[in-house]
Amino acid sequence: DTGVSQNPRHKITKRGQNVTFRCDPISEHNRLYWYRQTLGQGPEFLTYFQNEAQLEKSRLLSDRFSAERPKGSFSTLEIQRTEQGDSAMYLCASSFGQGLTYEQYFGPGTRLTVT
Amino acid sequence: GESVGLHLPTLSVQEGDNSIINCAYSNSASDYFIWYKQESGKGPQFIIDIRSNMDKRQGQRVTVLLNKTVKHLSLQIAATQPGDSAVYFCAENIGGGSTLGRLYFGRGTQLTVWP
Repeated sequence: DTGVSQNPRHKITKRGQNVTFRCDPISEHNRLYWYRQTLGQGPEFLTYFQNEAQLEKSRLLSDRFSAERPKGSFSTLEIQRTEQGDSAMYLCASSFGQGLTYEQYFGPGTRLTVT
Repeated sequence: GESVGLHLPTLSVQEGDNSIINCAYSNSASDYFIWYKQESGKGPQFIIDIRSNMDKRQGQRVTVLLNKTVKHLSLQIAATQPGDSAVYFCAENIGGGSTLGRLYFGRGTQLTVWP
């Protein structure tokens, strides 16, 4: 257990529905990342926060995806109008960023299945 | 046993043998590399990292070697144990600027340890 928690661990939804996932990072970590992982592939970067500021978003993050970190602590990732191609593991990671420190600790992930 | 992470996604070794997992990267601007271990149904677990100003770094039973000339990274696991069975990913950060903290993951190598 890295100390990063994600909820729910599994989510099954019907196409077209909205889903929201939550990530609680390690408490002193100021950086928070979202990744998506499909079967047999490595995680792909989605977006990144430093404190409450969203500093970068991947092209993978279409306008149906939105992420927030309102108080610089937990974060939510929402997917609107889900599609079957959204089925994946959504991973959250956190790090304590000072200068060139990049070590990221991952949570267990939320597995999304869109039927 | 030895494998190239991007081209031979599986590696089988006997318990007690040393394992070598290889990874190629393409961006000469990458300045930081991490190896992660991912067990089934879990998030990636940090193993060891190395900065681009180093050639070698050792941890407990693991060694990472970086060859910047040929853009090659390897993870050596000494005295491989059944608990080492997992998928191993190399990840890189392309230095600085707005991509600070974004990790790019390789495809991964499935390591299986048999008695």
